[in-house]
Amino acid sequence: EVQLVESGGGLVQPGRSMKLSCAASGFTFSNYGMAWVRQAPTKGLEWVATISYDGSSTYYRDSVKGRFTISRDNAKSTLYLQMNSLRSEDTATYYCTREYRYNFDYWGQGVMVTVSS
Amino acid sequence: DVVMTQTPVSLSLAIGQPASISCKSSQSLLGTSGKTFLNWILQRPGQSPKRLIYQVSKLYSEVPDRFSGSGSETEFTLKISRVEAEDLGVYYCWQGTHFPYTFGAGTKLELK
Repeated sequence: EVQLVESGGGLVQPGRSMKLSCAASGFTFSNYGMAWVRQAPTKGLEWVATISYDGSSTYYRDSVKGRFTISRDNAKSTLYLQMNSLRSEDTATYYCTREYRYNFDYWGQGVMVTVSS
Repeated sequence: DVVMTQTPVSLSLAIGQPASISCKSSQSLLGTSGKTFLNWILQRPGQSPKRLIYQVSKLYSEVPDRFSGSGSETEFTLKISRVEAEDLGVYYCWQGTHFPYTFGAGTKLELK
């Protein structure tokens, strides 16, 4: 059974940093691209970043480019999202997703990030 | 960015009624591979999104066959032949053809 379990969220002040993790199990992690998708409170979904199966390629939405870094450790089957210079508009539930052929076929339960002073 | 426009915003239907959700994209979702990466997901209340349909019309194995997807280029439709209680939630279309990937605003299906 594919499982994606996010951790590392919470309350953080504007301008500070936070790192999210996603522990994957139930599939060969190193064979799949992975992504982060977020959802602001009572809002819709927004793609944040994608990383290729081997970590050699990364893609970001413009609003997080230069502030967020997606990475992975295939030996630990873990995906990361390092978020720097956080803004109030980054407040959202962040979902870890498995990406397969330009589709997100599995989603984690999500982790809440609140950026507020 | 590709804008995904879903209609209606909400649907209120009784069990057993059919449902239809439209999704239109601001540019063609036909990729250079010849495939169209238009997908549908369902977010039930209080849950994370779950996969439903990929590449316009392909159902995942666990999805009941009362669901169907159709369309091409810029116009797509999700249909439910007979709504059941477990179908309530917010349906999103989204495209994986162009970066950044973009989602529709969602269609909320409520039971009457």
